[in-house]
Amino acid sequence: KAGVTQTPRYLIKTRGQQVTLSCSPISGHRSVSWYQQTPGQGLQFLFEYFSETQRNKGNFPGRFSGRQFSNSRSEMNVSTLELGDSALYLCASSLEMGAGDTQYFGPGTRLTVL
Amino acid sequence: AQSVTQPDIHITVSEGASLELRCNYSYGATPYLFWYVQSPGQGLQLLLKYFSGDTLVQGIKGFEAEFKRSQSSFNLRKPSVHWSDAAEYFCAVGRNTGFQKLVFGTGTRLLVSP
Repeated sequence: KAGVTQTPRYLIKTRGQQVTLSCSPISGHRSVSWYQQTPGQGLQFLFEYFSETQRNKGNFPGRFSGRQFSNSRSEMNVSTLELGDSALYLCASSLEMGAGDTQYFGPGTRLTVL
Repeated sequence: AQSVTQPDIHITVSEGASLELRCNYSYGATPYLFWYVQSPGQGLQLLLKYFSGDTLVQGIKGFEAEFKRSQSSFNLRKPSVHWSDAAEYFCAVGRNTGFQKLVFGTGTRLLVSP
């Protein structure tokens, strides 16, 4: 079974632009979560989607948004990019949304904002 | 709210020696606990998880972890380290109800010396 895939793997953008990252979960998984990883803040939860609905959101500004499609694939969008948005963005999928359901991570998208 | 502390930022171990990585958590109820490993430029790979039952949990690659409720700890161990174990290790805690959000520790970077 294929793992979680994320595209693109690397992105370079300039301040003020917007970006869209994509995540395809493991086949059969219905929940997708997004995390931001930076050297300074570590791994931080962005949001979780289940059945095309955002179920939980971390403490990030409204510039960060996402969505989930009927096939469980998910996208996240960051508008008006800032230098501090440079990070590794990780997507994780799990079978359901239940507590303790194991999350499997993709390889991440490395975003660099210049 | 949950929190996780990994007190060791870096650890150096000789190849063939034993390893113990420390993890302390804060959560008001019995948590779900995880250890993930991240190699450079890669996503997170699940090593093992604890939900309930036996407090000694076996994982992949010869790792094990022990849940100690009285010490709020979930330390990761390996009896004999291989050079390929050099990576960053993250402990994470999840809630036992509701949403999927994982709270991660700051990570411990393991260096393996010959």
